[in-house]
Amino acid sequence: AQSVAQPEDQVNVAEGNPLTVKCTYSVSGNPYLFWYVQYPNRGLQFLLKYITGDNLVKGSYGFEAEFNKSQTSFHLKKPSALVSDSALYFCAVRVNTDKLIFGTGTRLQVFP
Amino acid sequence: KAGVTQTPRYLIKTRGQQVTLSCSPISGHRSVSWYQQTPGQGLQFLFEYFSETQRNKGNFPGRFSGRQFSNSRSEMNVSTLELGDSALYLCASSPDKTNYEQYFGPGTRLTVT
Repeated sequence: AQSVAQPEDQVNVAEGNPLTVKCTYSVSGNPYLFWYVQYPNRGLQFLLKYITGDNLVKGSYGFEAEFNKSQTSFHLKKPSALVSDSALYFCAVRVNTDKLIFGTGTRLQVFP
Repeated sequence: KAGVTQTPRYLIKTRGQQVTLSCSPISGHRSVSWYQQTPGQGLQFLFEYFSETQRNKGNFPGRFSGRQFSNSRSEMNVSTLELGDSALYLCASSPDKTNYEQYFGPGTRLTVT
């Protein structure tokens, strides 16, 4: 069965510091990987995706993620965090045209 | 281009009642997916429609059903509501069935009392 894990419920980082939100996956087949962000009382917003090609994927708002097949990971990163980045972040995986499976979410808190 | 719209935004129902939620995808999008979001279970996939056909279905009881119309608008229905059905129901649309990028609506907050 396909699954995705976000091992940290919350990540705290100071503004201006680099941030990493972790995601690992377990699938049979080639994964399609996604990151979404959710602000309070809002739906999810698409950040970036990995389908194929370059392992380093750049997305919206300065975020990027690196696909690591050997470690089955797809960690979200940003070189310099902003207070406005504080939100709930979801990693998701799907194989082919199967359903999208979401992780449990990681709350990112950026302190000024 | 207008985003995904969901109506109503908030809903309060009583146990045993039924409810219908509506989703209008982004213009030109033909794929619509529904998700249930709760604090305990997180985001769970309900079903996906493409060109009026259900392509995938999550692990929910038969009380949860949906449909898609020829204009790609979608509805989901929950019959015989239970307290545990209280959740944020999210709809997402995508241009095609690859669903490489899904665009989410703001959700419908359903409270069952």
